[in-house]
Amino acid sequence: KQEVTQIPAALSVPEGENLVLNCSFTDSAIYNLQWFRQDPGKGLTSLLLIQSSQREQTSGRLNASLDKSSGRSTLYIAASQPGDSATYLCAVEDSSYKLIFGSGTRLLVRP
Amino acid sequence: EADIYQTPRYLVIGTGKKITLECSQTMGHDKMYWYQQDPGMELHLIHYSYGVNSTEKGDLSSESTVSRIRTEHFPLTLESARPSHTSQYLCASSTHLGGQGENEQFFGPGTRLTVL
Repeated sequence: KQEVTQIPAALSVPEGENLVLNCSFTDSAIYNLQWFRQDPGKGLTSLLLIQSSQREQTSGRLNASLDKSSGRSTLYIAASQPGDSATYLCAVEDSSYKLIFGSGTRLLVRP
Repeated sequence: EADIYQTPRYLVIGTGKKITLECSQTMGHDKMYWYQQDPGMELHLIHYSYGVNSTEKGDLSSESTVSRIRTEHFPLTLESARPSHTSQYLCASSTHLGGQGENEQFFGPGTRLTVL
């Protein structure tokens, strides 16, 4: 059974720092991996999607990498801002088109 | 504008009431999903649909039911609400990316349900 783990569970950094969020999964037979952002009490916003054949994706200050064979992904956020404060969720798509989510990393960027 | 909508955004209701949470998407996606999320906890898939007249139960057992009569509409119904149903319910839809089994999911804003 696929399990997704995110480390750390919570992170607090001063504004301007570069940071890395980690995601690991137990079954490498995935179709893609998505990173989402969730603000308190809100829905999920898709940040980046890495297809199984890709190694990384970039959008603005965000860069996500995927190492399918080792079951790992990282989300790199450059020059963090207070507006980046949110919960970041990692999810992998299995063979039934279903997403399996990690429990998230709660990020606080202090001004 | 293509989007995914959920109504109501917030609902406070008494025990025993029947409720329907609405989800609609204007993106023409064939696959739709319902997730349940307790505060600060993981998302759990409770229902999904691959297309019209197709519905399946997800990984988390739920007393709710769903229907998919139209492509764009995927409502969730609780026949008799209980306090244990208090949670946030998130609807999503996905589009096929072209590769084998690859889809990107888009989420609605969620419905926060409180059952007294």
